[in-house]
Amino acid sequence: SAVISQKPSRDICQRGTSLTIQCQVDSQVTMMFWYRQQPGQSLTLIATANQGSEATYESGFVIDKFPISRPNLTFSTLTVSNMSPEDSSIYLCSVEDKRTGVSTQYFGPGTRLTVL
Amino acid sequence: QKEVEQNSGPLSVPEGAIASLNCTYSDRVSQSFFWYRQYSGKSPELIMSIYSNGDKEDGRFTAQLNKASQYVSLLIRDSQPSDSATYLCAVGFQKLVFGTGTRLLVSP
Repeated sequence: SAVISQKPSRDICQRGTSLTIQCQVDSQVTMMFWYRQQPGQSLTLIATANQGSEATYESGFVIDKFPISRPNLTFSTLTVSNMSPEDSSIYLCSVEDKRTGVSTQYFGPGTRLTVL
Repeated sequence: QKEVEQNSGPLSVPEGAIASLNCTYSDRVSQSFFWYRQYSGKSPELIMSIYSNGDKEDGRFTAQLNKASQYVSLLIRDSQPSDSATYLCAVGFQKLVFGTGTRLLVSP
């Protein structure tokens, strides 16, 4: 599977500020995804990021709060804007792998965000 | 609203036993089903995928799918303490819907 890295691995931020999380893949992938995992919860899809088009957001998530960039086939960023303590979560990027002929997803190591 | 249901556990089994993890889903047209393992503080790791009814085996892991009953399960044979983790069931094509996970504890 692809090797996925995320930066930063963790951060502590003040409310009202913004944080940009980077996701880098070691091979070209068409589809990248951003998920959130709140404390003690499961994963929730925030948005799908395709290269060359605007990100597609899931219900409950908006571009003004979570702007996403996808400048090429190996890189994406997620910004968490105007943060509040409720944004404290683990943010994970994943990539779609179709080399076996079916769609599977592999996750990066995640970014643990704490908002004070 | 697409839903994926799992018993949160913990499911406790002794070392060497078979652990059985279950998952039900609401979207009848779902075609792709995945099991991820998540150790505490780590990201989910894909361990099994299944797309058609029946069993799929990979080493000590067997995934079972019954689309008529909207049910997917994961069996772990010869459970080891290193299998202790949270197991997440995920359903969907590209846009995955995750269950809340079942915490498995394997005691030596």
